[in-house]
Amino acid sequence: DQQVKQNSPSLSVQEGRISILNCDYTNSMFDYFLWYKKYPAEGPTFLISISSIKDKNEDGRFTVFLNKSAKHLSLHIVPSQPGDSAVYFCAATDDYKLSFGAGTTVTVRA
Amino acid sequence: GAGVSQSPSNKVTEKGKDVELRCDPISGHTALYWYRQSLGQGLEFLIYFQGNSAPDKSGLPSDRFSAERTGGSVSTLTIQRTQQEDSAVYLCASSSRTGVRTGELFFGEGSRLTVL
Repeated sequence: DQQVKQNSPSLSVQEGRISILNCDYTNSMFDYFLWYKKYPAEGPTFLISISSIKDKNEDGRFTVFLNKSAKHLSLHIVPSQPGDSAVYFCAATDDYKLSFGAGTTVTVRA
Repeated sequence: GAGVSQSPSNKVTEKGKDVELRCDPISGHTALYWYRQSLGQGLEFLIYFQGNSAPDKSGLPSDRFSAERTGGSVSTLTIQRTQQEDSAVYLCASSSRTGVRTGELFFGEGSRLTVL
């Protein structure tokens, strides 16, 4: 029973343009949402998070938007850079553990 | 150490053999997690430790899987009688008790297990 879903397995974007990654969840008890980034042969690393009491959090080129009524969040990367090519995981928690989506592979084209 | 350390980084074994995967968490982190990532899949939760206790083992796929943690530090994940469907990258992560919500969950590089 997957509580966090990323329905787009891949995304290709031109350097300098915006990347938009989407995530849906089913558990209304989730109170924190996070994005992790993973390069090949490395462990995932934390990127940005948002509390359920907010609808937007921004950190440099990365912005996460939360729509609680739709149980949907998105990650915007502007502008996209070649180093952003990686797998991005959406995650959520209501206590001590994270539930992860399947990931979206982002490829930034020069 | 500075980060979460896992060994071996790669393990190839024959079906039916037992394997042990080791995790050295960040010093002082009381929470330790095991996840696995199968080919084309997301991160699947396996087990959670708080200190030496495992209050949540709900993700262990079968009784062939077990894990222990000693001294509030090192953890070992054991898979008995390995099957081909056990092939995956096994990731260990550690955090402070409240760090998960704020992104302070740190992953190791993983142990890639291939069962022939």
